[in-house]
Parts: sequence; C-alpha cells; structure tokens
Amino acid sequence: NAGVTQTPKFRILKIGQSMTLQCAQDMNHNYMYWYRQDPGMGLKLIYYSVGAGITDKGEVPNGYNVSRSTTEDFPLRLELAAPSQTSVYFCASSRDSPNQPQHFGDGTRLSIL
Amino acid sequence: GQQVMQIPQYQHVQEGEDFTTYCNSSTTLSNIQWYKQRPGGHPVFLIQLVKSGEVKKQKRLTFQFGEAKKNSSLHITATQTTDVGTYFCAGQVRGGGSYIPTFGRGTSLIVHP
Repeated sequence: NAGVTQTPKFRILKIGQSMTLQCAQDMNHNYMYWYRQDPGMGLKLIYYSVGAGITDKGEVPNGYNVSRSTTEDFPLRLELAAPSQTSVYFCASSRDSPNQPQHFGDGTRLSIL
Repeated sequence: GQQVMQIPQYQHVQEGEDFTTYCNSSTTLSNIQWYKQRPGGHPVFLIQLVKSGEVKKQKRLTFQFGEAKKNSSLHITATQTTDVGTYFCAGQVRGGGSYIPTFGRGTSLIVHP
C-alpha cells in the first residue's frame, strides 16, 4: 500500500497565483487532515474532513479551501498565494476517528515569491 | 483555543545521555499521542496514552501520562544518533469544542556522537 500520497513534493509560486495541493490515501480512512508546518511552530491544522462530502475548518483556514468528493482524495486549494503561505504542507489520515493514529504523507514544500 | 505546551524546544545531548521532553495542557486531555519526525521527513506515530497514570515502554523510550491527564512525558534512555529528530505530542481535549488533537510545537533532539 502507498499510504498517503502528496503531490507535488516541491513548488514555487508567484504572489497572486493559485494552485491545488493533491492528497490521496488508499487505506479507506474516513478522517483526513491538512496541516502546515512552519519552523519551530509545530503543526497547525488548516482543514479536516470526517468523510466524503464533509469538511470543516481547523485553526488556520484563511486563504485555503478544500473539498472531499471521494473517500480517497482531499485536495487543498490556495487562492491568491501570499508570502505568508510559504510553508511545508502535510496531509494526514486516520481510520475511524481522530483518536486513532494519523498517517502522514511526505509533505509539499511550497515557496511563495 | 486549546494549547498544548511542549518543552524544551531544543535539546542537545551527547550520545549515551538521557533525554526527556514534556507536554502540558491547562485542560484535561482525553488522550495523548506522540510522533517522531526525522529531519526532512514527515511525522510518524509512536504511541497513544489513554489512561490516567499510564506508562508505556518501547525499547529505550518510556512514555507517561499524568495522573490528572494534563501532562505527559517522553524519556529516552542512552540516546543514539538514530534518535535525532523532532518529537511532537498531540493532545485531545476532553469535552472540547474541537475533537481534533492539537499538536505541541515539538522538541528537537540533537545527538552529538
């Protein structure tokens, strides 16, 4: 099994551009999460989903959007990229509840210039 | 929002020395999870503690959950260079508005050979 797959691994964007970070899991997990990680700041929750068709905001949702049309996929959309969105983005999933271990993808390193 | 405080932020040790990181919450936690992130990698689940006063061991790693379920610790005995990385705790607040675990900022362990 591939687990959680994130694409792309690296990306440089210009200010004002838009892009979608892809995340897919093949473990049939219901819960999926998007985090951003800035140096020394731990993991901040952006959005999460408890199942297909259901999403909710996390701690830092501004400037981002998500959708969950299938159990497998949970893309993160950046509209009008800003330098403050330069970060490492991790997608994660857990089976039936957030009480269960989260499985993380390898991350997307995004720079906004 | 809920905060999970983790100290220290960094710890330098000589190989063979012990290491401890502490996680504290002002509110009671339902459970706590610990993750390890190697440099350039993604967080990997280590363990979950649920019961008050619980102690679990994984080889040289000892995890404790406080009696009041407001704090936790990870202790590594006789560190090795393979222990290098950032250790995160993630706590879920009991009865909190958000049931998604909150990550601490992490403790980066640097082991000098």
